[in-house]
Amino acid sequence: SQLAEENLWALSVHEGESVTVNCSYKTSITALQWYRQKSGEGPAQLILIRSNEREKRNGRLRATLDTSSQSSSLSITATRCEDTAVYFCATDPYMGYKLTFGTGTSLLVDP
Amino acid sequence: GPKVLQIPSHQIIDMGQMVTLNCDPVSNHLYFYWYKQILGQQMEFLVNFYNGKVMEKSKLFKDQFSVERPDGSYFTLKIQPTALEDSAVYFCASRGQGNNQAPLFGEGTRLSVL
Repeated sequence: SQLAEENLWALSVHEGESVTVNCSYKTSITALQWYRQKSGEGPAQLILIRSNEREKRNGRLRATLDTSSQSSSLSITATRCEDTAVYFCATDPYMGYKLTFGTGTSLLVDP
Repeated sequence: GPKVLQIPSHQIIDMGQMVTLNCDPVSNHLYFYWYKQILGQQMEFLVNFYNGKVMEKSKLFKDQFSVERPDGSYFTLKIQPTALEDSAVYFCASRGQGNNQAPLFGEGTRLSVL
C-alpha cells in the first residue's frame, strides 16, 4: 500500500482558474513536501509544511496539512500554462529527506 | 541557479552488463541521494550518502547496486550486473547542510536494459 498518495490521477483546468490537489498519507511525519515535476525534468520542491503547521504559502501556492486525518492539499490560484506538470506530495519521517513520494496528480492547464 | 547534472541522459545496455550513472551535485552540498522511477509510477528512494558513507538504503537497493563519490568528484550509482527490472529513470539529488535545505534533483538518467 502507498505511504503517500494523491487522490486524483489527473486534472484539467483553464488558465486563470484555481485548482486543488489532495494527498493522503499513512505514516507519522515530521514534514510533508509538495513537489512539481515538469516533463523531462526532475522534481522541484514547492512547499515544505511541518507537522506542527496547518498552512503554508508560497506565492500562488497554498498548502494545508491536517495531521488528524493524515491529509494535505495544495492549491494553486490563477493557474498558468506553465503550471502544467505532475504534482507529488512526499512524506519525510525525520527531516532526513528519505522521501516517500505519492503517485502524483497530472495537472493540465489549458490556455 | 545551482543545478544537479546527470550524465548521460539516456543509457541503453544489454542485460548482465555493468552500468555507471554519474551525478555532478551542487558543489557545496553534502548529502546525496538516488531515486528510481519506473515509467508511470512513483519515484522511490534508493539510497542516501553523506560523508563518504551510505546512510540509509531501501530494499530496492539490491546487492548489485553500489554508490561512491571518490575525492569529491561525481556521485555515482553502479549496477553490476544489470537486470531487466533495472530499466527506469534514475534521479540524483543533493542538498546542503541544515534541515531547511531542500534537495535539488537532476533531470534523471533513463536506463534501458535490453
